Amino acid sequence: SQTIHQWPATLVQPVGSPLSLECTVEGTSNPNLYWYRQAAGRGLQLLFYSVGIGQISSEVPQNLSASRPQDRQFILSSKKLLLSDSGFYLCAWSAPDRGNSPLHFGNGTRLTVT
Amino acid sequence: SQQGEEDPQALSIQEGENATMNCSYKTSINNLQWYRQNSGRGLVHLILIRSNEREKHSGRLRVTLDTSKKSSSLLITASRAADTASYFCATAAPPYSSASKIIFGSGTRLSIRP
Repeated sequence: SQTIHQWPATLVQPVGSPLSLECTVEGTSNPNLYWYRQAAGRGLQLLFYSVGIGQISSEVPQNLSASRPQDRQFILSSKKLLLSDSGFYLCAWSAPDRGNSPLHFGNGTRLTVT
Repeated sequence: SQQGEEDPQALSIQEGENATMNCSYKTSINNLQWYRQNSGRGLVHLILIRSNEREKHSGRLRVTLDTSKKSSSLLITASRAADTASYFCATAAPPYSSASKIIFGSGTRLSIRP
């Protein structure tokens, strides 16, 4: 069965510090991978998605970047965090099926930038 | 920008009553998906309805889709306290490439009173 791991669960970082959030998927090959951010009590904002190794599509100009160094690994990074980067970050995967397959989410990382 | 918008934003009902949530979207779709999110957790896929389907059932869930009105509804029958959660609709934004952008609405917060 497929599983998705996302860590850490919570993170408190000072403004200006770097960020690295990691997401890995097991039990499937060539998944589509997604990073979303959710502000408190709000919907999900799509940040990045990827169809394969090294292939990243960015949705929103921002202080963040994403990389996919391996087929089932998706990393969200920042060189210098801003207060506005605080939020709940969710990684998800789906089968490469033109949007016809459901997303499977990790448990999220709650990031607080102080 | 949001592809889907849920209505109402918040809903509080008595246990045992039915809960109806609505979703409107802007562009043509291949399918529409509904997800559930418990507080502080990742989203869980509930049901997917394709554009050529009008109604779909899964246990106590009933989803309808009206492509002419660009709207969908999620009905939860005989609600239980455990149904308390946020519910989101999601659609794949065109063009439908192998990794379609899955865009979420802002969600409905459902509270079931005992």
